[in-house]
Amino acid sequence: NAGVTQTPKFQVLKTGQSMTLQCAQDMNHEYMSWYRQDPGMGLRLIHYSVGAGITDQGEVPNGYNVSRSTTEDFPLRLLSAAPSQTSVYFCASSYATETYEQYFGPGTRLTVT
Amino acid sequence: AQSVTQLDSHVSVSEGTPVLLRCNYSSSYSPSLFWYVQHPNKGLQLLLKYTSAATLVKGINGFEAEFKKSETSFHLTKPSAHMSDAAEYFCVVSDGFDNAGNMLTFGGGTRLMVKP
Repeated sequence: NAGVTQTPKFQVLKTGQSMTLQCAQDMNHEYMSWYRQDPGMGLRLIHYSVGAGITDQGEVPNGYNVSRSTTEDFPLRLLSAAPSQTSVYFCASSYATETYEQYFGPGTRLTVT
Repeated sequence: AQSVTQLDSHVSVSEGTPVLLRCNYSSSYSPSLFWYVQHPNKGLQLLLKYTSAATLVKGINGFEAEFKKSETSFHLTKPSAHMSDAAEYFCVVSDGFDNAGNMLTFGGGTRLMVKP
């Protein structure tokens, strides 16, 4: 049982480039989410999904896209990277009835120059 | 709307001394409250949770927290700090989905440092 996995662990992008952060979980969780962590601001929700084929925006969705074609995978796409997107990104998952207890991946540290 | 304020961004204690990490919350409803811990270069892990049962909640690694509705507080304590407790701690509130889909609202975090 690998839990929540994220790739890559580190990434450096130039302004304007696009990329996809990968997230997968093997716990059959319905709910998956992406957060960004910035110093002094805790974690802020970017997008979330309550099941395959269903996604919705969180608090800070601009500049990011998501899709959920399977229960296991929830990739996050940066369309045109900007320096303001320099952050640590966490993927999390949980059962739909226990979304307060989320299991977090190890994070992806992204730098945009 | 819900919000969380962690009153200290950094706390430093000596090994073997008590730990107190302070958290105040604001919520329109009866909230659920949580503490998550993040060790360096790791993801977050649930430490303990309050979901309207006993107001004194025990978590992993000897931590506990007390829900005080009159003070809108949910402070995290541990009687004796260990070096392995050095980490960042997040107080989190949830009162259901809001318009932004936030089940969880995070405080800004408190970095706990433990001196030998």
